Amino acid sequence: DQQVKQNSPSLSVQEGRISILNCDYTNSMFDYFLWYKKYPAEGPTFLISISSIKDKNEDGRFTVFLNKSAKHLSLHIVPSQPGDSAVYFCAASAYLSGTSYGKLTFGQGTILTVHP
Amino acid sequence: DSGVTQTPKHLITATGQRVTLRCSPRSGDLSVYWYQQSLDQGLQFLIQYYNGEERAKGNILERFSAQQFPDLHSELNLSSLELGDSALYFCASSVTVFSPLHFGNGTRLTVT
Repeated sequence: DQQVKQNSPSLSVQEGRISILNCDYTNSMFDYFLWYKKYPAEGPTFLISISSIKDKNEDGRFTVFLNKSAKHLSLHIVPSQPGDSAVYFCAASAYLSGTSYGKLTFGQGTILTVHP
Repeated sequence: DSGVTQTPKHLITATGQRVTLRCSPRSGDLSVYWYQQSLDQGLQFLIQYYNGEERAKGNILERFSAQQFPDLHSELNLSSLELGDSALYFCASSVTVFSPLHFGNGTRLTVT
């Protein structure tokens, strides 16, 4: 049972344009969501997070949007840069409910390629 | 550099053997997590420790066990290894259970 899904295995974008990565979840207990970026031969790196009390969080070029009713979140990268090329993982947790003790449930990842 | 150190980077062993993976968390982090990433799979949560105590368990096989020592480093023990155990094993740490996880670069285990 895949509780966090990233339905697009890959995304190709031109440098300077917007990259939009999508993520859907099924578990209504999830209340905290994170995006991680992963380069080859490295571990995932934390990018940005959002709690269920918000619907948007920005950090520089990265913005995460949360639509609780649709159980959907997205990561926008504007403008996209070639260095953003990596695998992006969406992750979810039930932090606020106090039941997950920090356990994250990850999606399968989306490979983003930004062309110069 | 995340500050989380995992050793060894690569491990090749035979079926039926036992291996130990080691993780040193970031300085000050009390929580340690182990995740498994098999081919074409996302990261699967195995187990979490907080300040030496087991806090949460995922789909960890009975052949696998872990512990966190007083100096906060952690070890993941995999025994009676099978071909299907071949995967990347990541360790992560966080200051509290509400903080983002910081991952090490993983140990790639190959069982032949």
